Amino acid sequence: KQEVTQIPAALSVPEGENLVLNCSFTDSAIYNLQWFRQDPGKGLTSLLLIQSSQREQTSGRLNASLDKSSGRSTLYIAASQPGDSATYLCAVIPLANAGGTSYGKLTFGQGTILTVHP
Amino acid sequence: EAQVTQNPRYLITVTGKKLTVTCSQNMNHEYMSWYRQDPGLGLRQIYYSMNVEVTDKGDVPEGYKVSRKEKRNFPLILESPSPNQTSLYFCASSLWWDQPQHFGDGTRLSIL
Repeated sequence: KQEVTQIPAALSVPEGENLVLNCSFTDSAIYNLQWFRQDPGKGLTSLLLIQSSQREQTSGRLNASLDKSSGRSTLYIAASQPGDSATYLCAVIPLANAGGTSYGKLTFGQGTILTVHP
Repeated sequence: EAQVTQNPRYLITVTGKKLTVTCSQNMNHEYMSWYRQDPGLGLRQIYYSMNVEVTDKGDVPEGYKVSRKEKRNFPLILESPSPNQTSLYFCASSLWWDQPQHFGDGTRLSIL
């Protein structure tokens, strides 16, 4: 069974710092990996999606990398701002197995709570 | 505006009283899914639907039912709710299962 772990569980940094959030998964047979942001009292917002054939994706100040061989993904946030404060979650979709029973399933990590203070 | 709409947003009810949480999306998405979010356990998938009339179990389907009779709607049904189903529920949709997911704002259920 796929397990997804995010480290650290919480992170507090001063504004302007570059930071890295980590996501590891136990089964490297994945189709893709997604990073999400969740604000308090809200649903999740998709930030970046990396296909298994890709090594990284970039959107503005965000860069996500994927290393399937080591079962890891990192989300890099450049020049952090107070508005970046939120919970960040990663999720993996496994490759369909022979029976296709896991096709379309997502497994989430428990998230990293990020606080950027002025 | 492209969105996923869940109703109700909040509900307090009692054990055994059937309830339905509705989910509707206006983006013509094929894939829809339900999750529950619990402290310490994170976000777990309950059911998902690859397209109309096709549904499949996620990691925690016990005690829940779903149906997908129309592309835009994917209701979550609790036939006989129990206190351990007290949670924050999210519906999500995407154009296809491997595309970025759009989430609703959540439904907080309390079952006494």
